[in-house]
Amino acid sequence: QITLKESGPTLVKPTQTLTLTCTFSGFSLSTAGVGVGWIRQPPGKSLEYLALIYWEDDKRYNPSLKSRLTITKDTSKNQVVLTMTNMDPVDTATYYCANIAAAHFWSPWGQGTLVTVSS
Amino acid sequence: EIVLTQSPGTLSLSPGERATLSCRASQSVNDNYLAWYQQKPGQAPRLLIYGASSRATGMPDRFSGSGSGTDFTLTISRLEPEDFAVYHCQQYGRSPHTFGQGTKLEIK
Repeated sequence: QITLKESGPTLVKPTQTLTLTCTFSGFSLSTAGVGVGWIRQPPGKSLEYLALIYWEDDKRYNPSLKSRLTITKDTSKNQVVLTMTNMDPVDTATYYCANIAAAHFWSPWGQGTLVTVSS
Repeated sequence: EIVLTQSPGTLSLSPGERATLSCRASQSVNDNYLAWYQQKPGQAPRLLIYGASSRATGMPDRFSGSGSGTDFTLTISRLEPEDFAVYHCQQYGRSPHTFGQGTKLEIK
């Protein structure tokens, strides 16, 4: 059974850097074709793709946020870390990570973590 | 970037009725890599359909997906009370993997 869980601060101040960790089990990021992606959802709004990383360390970013995002993996710890710099109140959202299967679809997702940006 | 447009924004139906949700892409979706997710309040999205028409494991057969190229449809044959939720489409054939804005399916 594949599970993922997001962790990180629930409150960050404007201009700070957000660091989120996705800890997963049931699969390995050293398996060919596998990846982990990050998505966010502002309250009452739709889903927004942020970034993904594949087993061979191929990294892809949302072009509109690329300058602020960094995604890394620690295969030995079964973790993927997303950092987002220069946080703003509009970045307030629930942040999800998800498994990307060898067939490329995204499932399952973690439960999500709500991050509020406020001074 | 491929833009996905879902319609309608809100769909009001009664249990037992048939629901038809649309997802239109601004460019052809590679290999029909189009997924549908169901999201209930306070929950993470759950995969319903992948590859435009393949049902995810455990999803009831009243859910079906169809379409190719730029036009895709999610059909729920007979609505059950638990089906009222928000439905999102996503293309994962070309980076960035974009989402539609969602369709809210509400009880009439």
